[in-house]
Amino acid sequence: GDQVKQSPSALSLQEGTNSALRCNFSIATTTVQWFLQNPRGSLMNLFYLVPGTKENGRLKSTFNSKESYSTLHIRDAQLEDSGTYFCAALNTGNYKYVFGAGTRLKVIA
Amino acid sequence: AQTIHQWPVAEIKAVGSPLSLGCTIKGKSSPNLYWYWQATGGTLQQLFYSITVGQVESVVQLNLSASRPKDDQFILSTEKLLLSHSGFYLCAWSLTGANYAEQFFGPGTRLTVL
Repeated sequence: GDQVKQSPSALSLQEGTNSALRCNFSIATTTVQWFLQNPRGSLMNLFYLVPGTKENGRLKSTFNSKESYSTLHIRDAQLEDSGTYFCAALNTGNYKYVFGAGTRLKVIA
Repeated sequence: AQTIHQWPVAEIKAVGSPLSLGCTIKGKSSPNLYWYWQATGGTLQQLFYSITVGQVESVVQLNLSASRPKDDQFILSTEKLLLSHSGFYLCAWSLTGANYAEQFFGPGTRLTVL
């Protein structure tokens, strides 16, 4: 099965609203990264997490290692938040990052 | 500041032809370097990683090979392209000696095999 399961797979948000993306892990992991991929393909680093919570502007991310999940909260969504969000978890069995399938987010005016 | 450059930006190649993709990182000494592949609309899959010059480990076999001829350079190649090689190739780096460190990605190379 999927080692890193992301949900939802796609999401449409009205500008100004809030939402949460989630990743569930079935591998032992100590580190999680969140990325935003733009339509050209470039990956922007959003968060690099050990267990705990980080916040950056309208984005907030939590990594709960005991319950094996991570969330990314988007507050006051803007048009430029559109793109594909990926989480990646470090598999501590082989020290390779495993990526989720991504969440395609479209923010509409 | 570190910069990561990939070349070419895009390639259209015939099945059976050779391929060489490059990645250069500037501003960081002895980084760990990685190659990832992404099918259109798909997720990222790690192909290779290297912690030092001349040393490359394969993660997934896709009839591709990688080499690290210089500290700041990582090359992905094959002698015979397959249709299944089409996709987006991304190079990434992280700090030396820390397999769990934060990874930073280059702009990618889009490959179309016809």
